[in-house]
Amino acid sequence: KAGVTQTPRYLIKTRGQQVTLSCSPISGHRSVSWYQQTPGQGLQFLFEYFSETQRNKGNFPGRFSGRQFSNSRSEMNVSTLELGDSALYLCASSLDPARHQETQYFGPGTRLLVL
Amino acid sequence: SQKIEQNSEALNIQEGKTATLTCNYTNYSPAYLQWYRQDPGRGPVFLLLIRENEKEKRKERLKVTFDTTLKQSLFHITASQPADSATYLCALDSPSSASKIIFGSGTRLSIRP
Repeated sequence: KAGVTQTPRYLIKTRGQQVTLSCSPISGHRSVSWYQQTPGQGLQFLFEYFSETQRNKGNFPGRFSGRQFSNSRSEMNVSTLELGDSALYLCASSLDPARHQETQYFGPGTRLLVL
Repeated sequence: SQKIEQNSEALNIQEGKTATLTCNYTNYSPAYLQWYRQDPGRGPVFLLLIRENEKEKRKERLKVTFDTTLKQSLFHITASQPADSATYLCALDSPSSASKIIFGSGTRLSIRP
């Protein structure tokens, strides 16, 4: 079974631009979560989608948004990029709606650099 | 506020020894605690999950303990090998949590030959 895939792997943008990152979960997984990882803050939860609906959201500004499609693929968008948005963005998928008991499978991440 | 601390940013030990990593938490009542391994430039990989009613769990050379009184989990790697060198993250989760799983900042483990 193919793992979680994320595209692109690397991205360079400038301040004020917007960016869209994509995540394809493991086949059959319906829950997709997004995380931001930085050296200073560690791994922080952005939001989770299940069946095209956002179920949970972390403490990030409204510039960060996401969506999920009917095939469970998910995208996240960051508008009006700031230097502090430079980070590794990770997507994780899991199988069961009662996600708390399920293992999350992470993708390789998208490394975003904002100049 | 909820807080997770992995009390060693980095740990260096000799090959063959047992590595012990610590995860402490406050203002949280997790039902589950997970440990992940992360290699540079890669996403975390799940290793073990332990529930609040379990004291200990083992998987091959890995052992995890969970003490809800002390609010602490210990993660042990026995007979450590250089290939075990990585960053290890603990993560807490609870069905009553409004947000998703909360991760610690990680401990970077280096096993020297």
